[in-house]
Amino acid sequence: NAGVMQNPRHLVRRRGQEARLRCSPMKGHSHVYWYRQLPEEGLKFMVYLQKENIIDESGMPKERFSAEFPKEGPSILRIQQVVRGDSAAYFCASSTTDSGGNTIYFGEGSWLTVV
Amino acid sequence: QKEVEQDPGPLSVPEGAIVSLNCTYSNSAFQYFMWYRQYSRKGPELLMYTYSSGNKEDGRFTAQVDKSSKYISLFIRDSQPSDSATYLCAMSATAAGNKLTFGGGTRVLVKP
Repeated sequence: NAGVMQNPRHLVRRRGQEARLRCSPMKGHSHVYWYRQLPEEGLKFMVYLQKENIIDESGMPKERFSAEFPKEGPSILRIQQVVRGDSAAYFCASSTTDSGGNTIYFGEGSWLTVV
Repeated sequence: QKEVEQDPGPLSVPEGAIVSLNCTYSNSAFQYFMWYRQYSRKGPELLMYTYSSGNKEDGRFTAQVDKSSKYISLFIRDSQPSDSATYLCAMSATAAGNKLTFGGGTRVLVKP
């Protein structure tokens, strides 16, 4: 887990507000992944990004969710108009290449609570 | 039905016992299999990584994959209270591990 930095660790939002979660990958890593963990469930893939490119967003909800990984700065997962069902832990992971699960490192997560 | 099934537990064992965990899956395309450990309110930590069928050992941990049965296992020998955590299996179909499919996790409690 060392090296993948996520913030904020905890975020409380009222219904209808926006949530922005940030992820700085490990040094030297250019691939970023976002996963969501709902209460009592396993992690679900959301999106895979490289610098300035979305490679695979097949796990992203069609509306209200977006992700980016700009040339400079952290990756951002943005949730607009949050609803109670968005309450979950959001994990970012990074890797040097797309060469397999053994090179993927996860951050400590951002816990979103929608009230 | 979920692609990856994992008994949620909790699995309670005395210290020093062998912990036996397993997952079943339905997608025959999965070739890469991983086990992660997750402590409460923490991120997943990779324990074992296996390609295709076979066994792999690393210290107190042994991972087994039986692709013909679509069944994977993790054994933890000489369990310690510090092994108390949720264990997640994960798998992917390609070497590009960007899209891991996780099981729901098994809670393990090792009692002193």
